[in-house]
Amino acid sequence: QKEVEQNSGPLSVPEGAIASLNCTYSDRGSQSFFWYRQYSGKSPELIMFIYSNGDKEDGRFTAQLNKASQYVSLLIRDSQPSDSATYLCAVNPKGEYGNKLVFGAGTILRVKS
Amino acid sequence: DAGVTQSPTHLIKTRGQQVTLRCSPKSGHDTVSWYQQALGQGPQFIFQYYEEEERQRGNFPDRFSGHQFPNYSSELNVNALLLGDSALYLCASSTGTGYQETQYFGPGTRLLVL
Repeated sequence: QKEVEQNSGPLSVPEGAIASLNCTYSDRGSQSFFWYRQYSGKSPELIMFIYSNGDKEDGRFTAQLNKASQYVSLLIRDSQPSDSATYLCAVNPKGEYGNKLVFGAGTILRVKS
Repeated sequence: DAGVTQSPTHLIKTRGQQVTLRCSPKSGHDTVSWYQQALGQGPQFIFQYYEEEERQRGNFPDRFSGHQFPNYSSELNVNALLLGDSALYLCASSTGTGYQETQYFGPGTRLLVL
């Protein structure tokens, strides 16, 4: 079982719609959760982080965390063509000293105008 | 505010050679992590340096080694290169090693091993 799993996509949504990206993780003790956006040929760019159960909103982005279900999601409202990218879910597992990130393989999002 | 910088941007090596990649962290950051990202995959953690010591290590062979300098900059060294080492090597920096510290990535070094 992979530590962090994401649907590879591509997820296609029309411009202006809500894009919903999902991620599950295997380490129940994981402490922090991050969403990064990566454009083709570029490095990952931090979008949001969340530590506690519930929702966290930042502009058009909402991160949702459910530790009991070991599930984290990212909602993008009013999707724009510029949102087309690969979205990486990353988790900080518990237990070891340090804050290494374990990444999923990413979900490709395509926003069609 | 200078972000994370990495050099070189691209590198071509042949099997068996050695390579050194460099990273300067974001201003105010003291912790550097290195990741390897193969095409179509998420980044894989290599190791993390804090206070000039390797604090965490991922599942990578001893051919991968690193160093952190007093100014917090870091190097990643890979010996005896294999074709499978071809990847994007990413450096990320943060303020400390706590689980709430966010990591910011540099532009990466794209390594091709022939």
